[in-house]
Amino acid sequence: GAGVSQTPSNKVTEKGKYVELRCDPISGHTALYWYRQSLGQGPEFLIYFQGTGAADDSGLPNDRFFAVRPEGSVSTLKIQRTERGDSAVYLCASRRRDQETQYFGPGTRLLVL
Amino acid sequence: SQQGEEDPQALSIQEGENATMNCSYKTSINNLQWYRQNSGRGLVHLILIRSNEREKHSGRLRVTLDTSKKSSSLLITASRAADTASYFCATDARAGGTSYGKLTFGQGTILTVHP
Repeated sequence: GAGVSQTPSNKVTEKGKYVELRCDPISGHTALYWYRQSLGQGPEFLIYFQGTGAADDSGLPNDRFFAVRPEGSVSTLKIQRTERGDSAVYLCASRRRDQETQYFGPGTRLLVL
Repeated sequence: SQQGEEDPQALSIQEGENATMNCSYKTSINNLQWYRQNSGRGLVHLILIRSNEREKHSGRLRVTLDTSKKSSSLLITASRAADTASYFCATDARAGGTSYGKLTFGQGTILTVHP
């Protein structure tokens, strides 16, 4: 079956611009996570959705970051007024409610110039 | 901040040798998971060990967990060049007795297996 997909694979933008990153979870997975991974580091948690609602957004670094999952499937991570420090790989993962294993997508590599 | 810390940061071995990576963490956990990552992109889940388990095997992988020391180790036996990757431990912390899968990753171990 299809895994988690993320688009775009790579995104280059200029400082101050707005970007949207998309995640398509595995069908039937109710839990969805966003993580951010900087070069040479492990992924860091950003936000968790159970269904349509953000159950934990404690990892979002500031109010420039926002994520939605309006129909409980696809999620979009939105970054306003991008800064060079936002450059990283943004990873999405999904999980079935009754399982502990998270399945990760290939990530979106964001570069802010 | 990262809860898990892997040791060593980098490991270089010859094909056929065993590779051992260690992970330490700070808080109580529900489970600990090991992931593999190639070329800085998607993570592949390798193995999960629950807080009430001490050892687990999967193919050439052996994971141990010592909750009293808050540490885990991943052993890859008979390594292959294809095992070259970064390996991360991730903890699923217990929060009030419940867990929803929020993972805290370490910084990873870069494993290089020379043919």
